[in-house]
Amino acid sequence: DSGVTQTPKHLITATGQRVTLRCSPRSGDLSVYWYQQSLDQGLQFLIQYYNGEERAKGNILERFSAQQFPDLHSELNLSSLELGDSALYFCASSVVVGYVNEQFFGPGTRLTVL
Amino acid sequence: GQQVMQIPQYQHVQEGEDFTTYCNSSTTLSNIQWYKQRPGGHPVFLIQLVKSGEVKKQKRLTFQFGEAKKNSSLHITATQTTDVGTYFCAVFHGSSNTGKLIFGQGTTLQVKP
Repeated sequence: DSGVTQTPKHLITATGQRVTLRCSPRSGDLSVYWYQQSLDQGLQFLIQYYNGEERAKGNILERFSAQQFPDLHSELNLSSLELGDSALYFCASSVVVGYVNEQFFGPGTRLTVL
Repeated sequence: GQQVMQIPQYQHVQEGEDFTTYCNSSTTLSNIQWYKQRPGGHPVFLIQLVKSGEVKKQKRLTFQFGEAKKNSSLHITATQTTDVGTYFCAVFHGSSNTGKLIFGQGTTLQVKP
């Protein structure tokens, strides 16, 4: 157990719909990273927040958005869903010790778009 | 940006055999991290290497960073069924609390008992 929690575990929805994925980082961690894992694209970085502020962005689609709240939990919003958005979505929080940015991944949310 | 290619994509070994996965880049890497993802699980951080020629060991796992910092390897000695999973190399782009991990495609290890 990494200490990072994600809800829900599974989500099944239809094309065109909107969903919200939730993540709580480890106690004390200020950073939240979102990743998408699919068979064809592998593990892809989406976006990072630190203490409520967006800090880094990957190839995140315009239909996707995220935010980090004052209690440090984060939400990833996916809208106008397409079949290709079906994937495993992970969030991670990190601790920096010296040069090492060690990331702790949550159990993931499996999204299925039908 | 820095990208990493990982080979092989799959590896099947008999329990007790050794296993190696390689991570290669066309550009010099500032760091390399290794993660393990068990089937149905999430990536788990194993190690980070930053120095040219660095070698680190964790029990049966040996991690190396090339002299030119363009490649890295993970070697497992005498594999066990508990080693099954996908091993990813990744590069952290950024500094301290700002950045992103760029992952290789992963090597999936199957171990036959």
